[in-house]
Amino acid sequence: DTEVTQTPKHLVMGMTNKKSLKCEQHMGHRAMYWYKQKAKKPPELMFVYSYEKLSINESVPSRFSPECPNSSLLNLHLHALQPEDSALYLCASSQGQFLLLDGYTFGSGTRLTVV
Amino acid sequence: AQTVTQSQPEMSVQEAETVTLSCTYDTSESDYYLFWYKQPPSRQMILVIRQEAYKQQNATENRFSVNFQKAAKSFSLKISDSQLGDAAMYFCALTTSGTYKYIFGTGTRLKVLA
Repeated sequence: DTEVTQTPKHLVMGMTNKKSLKCEQHMGHRAMYWYKQKAKKPPELMFVYSYEKLSINESVPSRFSPECPNSSLLNLHLHALQPEDSALYLCASSQGQFLLLDGYTFGSGTRLTVV
Repeated sequence: AQTVTQSQPEMSVQEAETVTLSCTYDTSESDYYLFWYKQPPSRQMILVIRQEAYKQQNATENRFSVNFQKAAKSFSLKISDSQLGDAAMYFCALTTSGTYKYIFGTGTRLKVLA
């Protein structure tokens, strides 16, 4: 299995809703990432998990809450989002946090719309 | 500070022709790696090709090749025999040894004309 699977593919939520994004990989990768991508822009790093522990938070607002229940699964819990949080949320994985030489494997993303 | 610059927001190429996408970068590190990622309408970012800075030989992957000019800090991507499936946003990216993230350029949208 050489894929990163993200669900759901599309999500529309209200500003008072609580929702979660899910990301799964079975490649034995030990680092997993959440990226946010606005239209026609490059991805921006949000969080890095290394060996199931949060190692990097790129000053992301607390309304985004990541969770790594096990080495294959990464969640992003969303609460009280703003319309400007509407974006494509990409999950990625790599062999290790400091081993980016082989590149990331990305998922296809969740298109989030906050209304 | 490390930067990656893609000066061409959009490019077009006729099917079966060759196109070159430009990328320049800046870093003070000696141990770094450069990448081209492709993002088609399906949204998934796909690694196209990578280059290790200490290797002088330009990387190639089938129809994709790079022109790595280390002194000029230039890393262009050449796509030969362009196909409709090559239409996508292409991002150039830089990472250095021991860091945890990539520095991405702003992207070049490639259109392939039938």
